[in-house]
Amino acid sequence: AQTVTQSQPEMSVQEAETVTLSCTYDTSENNYYLFWYKQPPSRQMILVIRQEAYKQQNATENRFSVNFQKAAKSFSLKISDSQLGDTAMYFCALWRYGGSQGNLIFGKGTKLSVKP
Amino acid sequence: DGGITQSPKYLFRKEGQNVTLSCEQNLNHDAMYWYRQDPGQGLRLIYYSQIVNDFQKGDIAEGYSVSREKKESFPLTVTSAQKNPTAFYLCASSHGGYNEQFFGPGTRLTVL
Repeated sequence: AQTVTQSQPEMSVQEAETVTLSCTYDTSENNYYLFWYKQPPSRQMILVIRQEAYKQQNATENRFSVNFQKAAKSFSLKISDSQLGDTAMYFCALWRYGGSQGNLIFGKGTKLSVKP
Repeated sequence: DGGITQSPKYLFRKEGQNVTLSCEQNLNHDAMYWYRQDPGQGLRLIYYSQIVNDFQKGDIAEGYSVSREKKESFPLTVTSAQKNPTAFYLCASSHGGYNEQFFGPGTRLTVL
């Protein structure tokens, strides 16, 4: 079975500092895709960053970057220069193959609070 | 503007009643999805559809039904068989496969 685990239910960080959110997963597939989604208080889900498992280079999007460790099945999200607008729930997700049709499986989320 | 709309934003239902949640997209996406979100549970997949007139059960399909008669629309019916329907429901769409899923604003369903 494919699973996604986020072991930090809540985290906080001071504005302008750096924070890392953890995610581990389990899959028997060799090629797959991983995602981080953000859900601010408005509850609108927004894609933050995406990583293809066959790429060794870690994905980056402005202040957001990942540390993808395929052998360890780890996919952490680093947020640099944290801003108040980064306050949100963050969900790690794994693309799950299902026959000819696949879908996403999500972790339970990490609630991040950025403090002024 | 292209996007996904869900209606209504808040919905109240009496026990024993069926209720239908609307999801419409104008992104020309082939695939559409329904998720349920409960506190501390993350998102769980209810149903998904990769193409018109076809859909698949997700992890928690019991007590729910869907239809996909048009590419733009993927309504979700919460039936009286769903034992604990109070939750936040999110609809999403994508070009299919492992492409990014775009989410609607959600519907909060409360059973009175």
